[in-house]
Amino acid sequence: GIQVEQSPPDLILQEGANSTLRCNFSDSVNNLQWFHQNPWGQLINLFYIPSGTKQNGRLSATTVATERYSLLYISSSQTTDSGVYFCAVESGANSKLTFGKGITLSVRP
Amino acid sequence: SAVISQKPSRDICQRGTSLTIQCQVDSQVTMMFWYRQQPGQSLTLIATANQGSEATYESGFVIDKFPISRPNLTFSTLTVSNMSPEDSSIYLCSEGGRETQYFGPGTRLLVL
Repeated sequence: GIQVEQSPPDLILQEGANSTLRCNFSDSVNNLQWFHQNPWGQLINLFYIPSGTKQNGRLSATTVATERYSLLYISSSQTTDSGVYFCAVESGANSKLTFGKGITLSVRP
Repeated sequence: SAVISQKPSRDICQRGTSLTIQCQVDSQVTMMFWYRQQPGQSLTLIATANQGSEATYESGFVIDKFPISRPNLTFSTLTVSNMSPEDSSIYLCSEGGRETQYFGPGTRLLVL
């Protein structure tokens, strides 16, 4: 099956700093989503982005499908950005998502 | 976006018992999924809940351990049977079949 690798595994930032989170995948994808899992376990949809670039406030994402990677940018980080960021992809026609191992982000005040 | 609720939100159970988790979606959806997230780990798909037919299980998951029902297009249940401490996890349902897949808030299960 498709492999999804995220890097770095852990990231510690000072409030106000910027960061880039990476997701590499091993095959072509129909769907790529970025999620934020907050400390209470809730998965929040950030982006649906199988290709191209999107922006939502301080967050933006870019997927280069031909090179099989996606990047999530967080600018002016806040403590509420802390949590685990997951990249998930779908490579077939069955809507099943394969998740990466996640990136744990800690933003310190 | 879909609104998905799960019951219970958390539970503490004794080994050897079973727990049924409910998942309710606020609109009819084609596909529903059940995922497990073990402590400190990523999400792993357990099965696809098919309306009107048996669930489709992923490798490593079996119907006897995780029976699933999907009586209609807005509701599904997952039962964790004959539980052991290794079943302690967050169990999440989701709905798919369109671009963005949405997840329920999860059920935190601790097995003693």
